[in-house]
Formats: sequence, C-alpha cells, structure tokens
Amino acid sequence: DTAVSQTPKYLVTQMGNDKSIKCEQNLGHDTMYWYKQDSKKFLKIMFSYNNKELIINETVPNRFSPKSPDKAHLNLHINSLELGDSAVYFCASSQGGLVSYEQYFGPGTRLTVT
Amino acid sequence: GQQLNQSPQSMFIQEGEDVSMNCTSSSIFNTWLWYKQEPGEGPVLLIALYKAGELTSNGRLTAQFGITRKDSFLNISASIPSDVGIYFCAGQPGLDKLVFGAGTILRVKS
Repeated sequence: DTAVSQTPKYLVTQMGNDKSIKCEQNLGHDTMYWYKQDSKKFLKIMFSYNNKELIINETVPNRFSPKSPDKAHLNLHINSLELGDSAVYFCASSQGGLVSYEQYFGPGTRLTVT
Repeated sequence: GQQLNQSPQSMFIQEGEDVSMNCTSSSIFNTWLWYKQEPGEGPVLLIALYKAGELTSNGRLTAQFGITRKDSFLNISASIPSDVGIYFCAGQPGLDKLVFGAGTILRVKS
C-alpha cells in the first residue's frame, strides 16, 4: 500500500542517452511534483501538475519533459542526459488545487550519468 | 526569490539530549512544514503549521510557527539513535511552490 512510488530506484546511464522515471500515487491527490536533490541535499522543485495540467515549470532545461497521463501518474523524461543531471529525483503529491502544503514524497530515483 | 536559512547545518549529540533547530525567512510564509529524510529515502512529513504562533507536537517533536511568520523551530526531546537523519524545514509563501531549507544533519551518539 505504498503511497507514492517511483521506478526505477537507481538509474545508471551514459551521457547523451534518453531515460524516463515513472511516478504513481495512490493517495487520490490532485497535484504531483518533481523535485531534484543535488549532492548537497538541496531540494528544488522542477515541475508541478494539477489534474494533468502543468502549473509550475521552474527554470529547467527543456531536455526535461514531464508527462501526466492521469492525475495518479507523473512521469519525467530526460533527453540527451548530461553529467550535471546526476542527482536524486523525487516525486511528490499533495491534496487540493494548485500547489498546496503537506506534500508526500516518493523514495527517490538516484540517477547517475557517466 | 524566497530563501530559507536553516540552522544549524549539522549536530552531533549524545543520546538523551534535546535538540533544537530553526528556520528563518526573508519574507512572510503562510505555512511551515518540517520533514525528515533518512538515507536512501524520501523526505517524510513530520509536522505542518498553518497559523502564526501555532505550537504543534508529534510525539517527542514540537514545532512552532513564529509570530512574525518569518521563522519556525523544531525541537526534539530526549533524542534516540533512530532520530538520525536530515531535517528540512519548508515554507509556502502563498499559492506558490514550497521552498526548502538546506537541511540540518542530525547524528546521535549512543
């Protein structure tokens, strides 16, 4: 009965490749997010979707493209991976419209680009 | 944009001691949240605060939303080894994204 799940847990790939990370939540929440956590553990929001609609798009390279097929899923596709993309990526979800408090996080996907 | 200053950066304490950490902001926040992250896991919500002056407890954890709405603190009483992890404050300035502090790394000596 995992609340927010992500796959894969670990992803090791070479520069230039394209990869996807999947996220699913079974909390019935309306809003989902992608965060990036760097090597210094700093958490920064990348995207937010509310009911499949993009509502936050931070200054993220357009090589990153989120896709929300339904409100329970938010996937992240990354094209032409670069060394600097290495980080832990977290999916999160919250109740209610627009961006709201009490975000619940998935276990993270550790991406290593070599 | 908004910035959160979280301190201390790290703490190494003896089991049984009380712990205090805080966050300050340059602007007013409507909501303060405290999360804990353990190695290899995602942040877990500990306490959410919604009103200035609000004091909320969750077991041995107590957090307060500052009266000025620009700060919050988290106290942990009688620390135990499983308290180790990174504690993050997060604030919501309005109908906007959450802003996170840089985290406080807590280590406990048993």
